[in-house]
Amino acid sequence: GNSVTQMEGPVTLSEEAFLTINCTYTATGYPSLFWYVQYPGEGLQLLLKATKADDKGSNKGFEATYRKETTSFHLEKGSVQVSDSAVYFCALTPGGFKTIFGAGTRLFVKA
Amino acid sequence: NAGVTQTPKFQVLKTGQSMTLQCAQDMNHEYMSWYRQDPGMGLRLIHYSVGAGITDQGEVPNGYNVSRSTTEDFPLRLLSAAPSQTSVYFCASSHRGLAEKLFFGSGTQLSVL
Repeated sequence: GNSVTQMEGPVTLSEEAFLTINCTYTATGYPSLFWYVQYPGEGLQLLLKATKADDKGSNKGFEATYRKETTSFHLEKGSVQVSDSAVYFCALTPGGFKTIFGAGTRLFVKA
Repeated sequence: NAGVTQTPKFQVLKTGQSMTLQCAQDMNHEYMSWYRQDPGMGLRLIHYSVGAGITDQGEVPNGYNVSRSTTEDFPLRLLSAAPSQTSVYFCASSHRGLAEKLFFGSGTQLSVL
């Protein structure tokens, strides 16, 4: 079946630190991959996406590369800010209309 | 500039009561869906619809009913609420197509006592 596994949180970093949140997936075929972000009290919003192998999605300093050989889509940012504190969800769409989400990783950034 | 609108934002029910969570979108999206969010489990798909008059079950459909009479609205009905349905519920919509991003509402926090 299709599934997404994310690293457990919470992740606590100091401002300007490097961020990596690991995400691996299991899917049949060639899924599209996404990272969504949820700020406190809000719904999820798309952060970035990649639709085929070796594609790199990027937005607001965040990046993730679609690695088919390792079935991974790790989220990275070179220098985090306090305003990046949120919950991050890795997700995939295996080709139909269902989007499958990981459990989410909470990030705390300290000033 | 409304996007996806969910009501109510908070609701407390007693076991056995029924209620409807409302969801409306003004983006003419074909696809609409309901998720529940529980700690440590991410978002799980309850029901979804690919157009007016068409609905299908997701991962956790038991105890929930949906209908899609218009493109704009996709209400979720709890038939007989149970404590296991205490959760945060999100409605989402998107254009019909591969790799289309989901637009989410702000959520409904439901407690069943």
